[in-house]
Amino acid sequence: GAVVSQHPSRVICKSGTSVKIECRSLDFQATTMFWYRQFPKQSLMLMATSNEGSKATYEQGVEKDKFLINHASLTLSTLTVTSAHPEDSSFYICSASGGDQETQYFGPGTRLLVL
Amino acid sequence: QKEVEQNSGPLSVPEGAIASLNCTYSDRVSQSFFWYRQYSGKSPELIMSIYSNGDKEDGRFTAQLNKASQYVSLLIRDSQPSDSATYLCAEGGGGSNYKLTFGKGTLLTVNP
Repeated sequence: GAVVSQHPSRVICKSGTSVKIECRSLDFQATTMFWYRQFPKQSLMLMATSNEGSKATYEQGVEKDKFLINHASLTLSTLTVTSAHPEDSSFYICSASGGDQETQYFGPGTRLLVL
Repeated sequence: QKEVEQNSGPLSVPEGAIASLNCTYSDRVSQSFFWYRQYSGKSPELIMSIYSNGDKEDGRFTAQLNKASQYVSLLIRDSQPSDSATYLCAEGGGGSNYKLTFGKGTLLTVNP
């Protein structure tokens, strides 16, 4: 149980385009989903927390207009990187929590490369 | 500001040995703690959660929590080369946001 999927697993795009990443909880209802970013050999960095049906809460320094998060249902959250630039190239990982609220289950991640 | 401290390593142990990973946390009232394993290039996967003082065992893994010392550890018995990964300690946020505070991780290498 507690399976989280992400799509796509890898994406390459041109600078200036937008990229949407989907995160789905497959076998449980995720009341809260989290979006992280991780640069090579660095720690996980929490970008934002989203609750179903409400606006996401962004961490300090994360631009909410650049990283659009939608959590429209209890099983789906999306992260859209708008007007992507090469410095946005990173490993984006979502996680979801459900029943006991605090345990987070991670998706497999999306590797974004902006050319 | 919550902080979770881990020795970055690398921690190197021979195959079959016990690997001991340690973590300290700053928030005395924290109630929940988690260990995640992250292989290079992959996302973290949950190994164990622990909420009460003492030991919690799951197969070759034992988590230990000492709230008085604000210390949580993970023991891996009979270490295997496939255990080589970065191990992340996390502290539950409590409250209504359910955020976890992660340590920077300890890189474990198990040598055949």
